[in-house]
This record gives sequence, C-alpha cells and structure tokens, in this order.
Amino acid sequence: DTEVTQTPKHLVMGMTNKKSLKCEQHMGHRAMYWYKQKAKKPPELMFVYSYEKLSINESVPSRFSPECPNSSLLNLHLHALQPEDSALYLCASSQDQGSPSGELFFGEGSRLTVL
Amino acid sequence: AQSVTQPDIHITVSEGASLELRCNYSYGATPYLFWYVQSPGQGLQLLLKYFSGDTLVQGIKGFEAEFKRSQSSFNLRKPSVHWSDAAEYFCAVAPFFGNEKLTFGTGTRLTIIP
Repeated sequence: DTEVTQTPKHLVMGMTNKKSLKCEQHMGHRAMYWYKQKAKKPPELMFVYSYEKLSINESVPSRFSPECPNSSLLNLHLHALQPEDSALYLCASSQDQGSPSGELFFGEGSRLTVL
Repeated sequence: AQSVTQPDIHITVSEGASLELRCNYSYGATPYLFWYVQSPGQGLQLLLKYFSGDTLVQGIKGFEAEFKRSQSSFNLRKPSVHWSDAAEYFCAVAPFFGNEKLTFGTGTRLTIIP
C-alpha cells in the first residue's frame, strides 16, 4: 500500500463553521506533512509531524490546528476560516523527516471552499 | 537560502514530440533535486530524484533529468510525449539532510496538442 488517503475530497464551509480534514497512510512512514496549494501556485508547507510530534509550524494562523493521533493519521482542524483560506490542502508522508530519501508521498488533496 | 526557478510558465508540444522542461536552482552545496508531476485536481507524484552519482537520472513514465552543476540546472526531458503527460510539473530542491524544507519552483504547465 503506497497511498496517502485524504478525506473529504471537497469541503465547503462557512466562516463560523468547525470542520476537519483527515489524512491516513499505512506505509509505516514516521513523518507527515500538511501543504496548502492555491490555484496555479506551488504547494506551501504548513506543518510537519515527526514521530507524532509537531516539529515544524510555518507560522500558520491558529485557525488551523493540526493533530497527529497516531503514526498513521494526521488531522487538520479548521475554525473561523477566511475566504482567502480556500485552497487545495495536501497531505504528504515520508519515511523519516531526517531521511535523505527525499521522497514525499502525496494524497490527492482536499479542496476547501470558505464562503 | 535555497531557491528554484522554472522559467517556463506554460509549454505546448505536439503528441510524439520531444520535451524539455527547464529548472535552475540556487543552493550553497549540492542539493537534493526532484521533479514532481501534478495532474489536474490531483496530488503530486514524484517522477525522479537526484542525490549524487550519475548525473543522468531515469524516472517513471519515460522521463529523465540531467544534473549540470556548472549551470545549476536540472532539466527534465522525455523523447516522445503522450497526451496523458499533460499536467503541471514542479521542480524542487531540498537541503542535504531532511526533506521538511522542500522548496518548489513555480511550476510549468504542459499542454499536449494532437
């Protein structure tokens, strides 16, 4: 199994809603990532978890709250978002954060629209 | 700080024609270099990577890339494109250790015409 599975594929929410994005991998990877991608732009790193601990937060606003319940799961909790947060949110995993292998396995993304 | 430049925003080629996508990087030492592909509405898939050794690397789907240190380039090539190659292509660079700071170029959109 070489897949990273993200749910939901599409999400529409209002600015007062609370929702969550979910990501799952069963490759035994110990590093997991959240990226944000706006239209026609490259992905931008948001968070990195290594061995279930948050190791990097790229100064992301607190309305985005990541959670790593176990080594296979990664959540992104959303609250009080703004319309400019509408984007494709990509989850990725790698064998190890410090590994030189460099290969990130990406999910298909969750397309978020904030009204 | 590392950076990646993809000078071509959009390239159109005929099916069956050859392809070269350009990538230039800036980094103090030899970095790790990658090419990722993203089909519309999809996540990214790794095509190939360069760490060290042979400067011509082979990837999936018939792609190859050549690392040229003197030109700080890592161009992606394919001898004959297929309609299914239409996608966005991202070059990326990472420091020698750790991939959490993978830096992407701005991407090149490839259109294939019959």
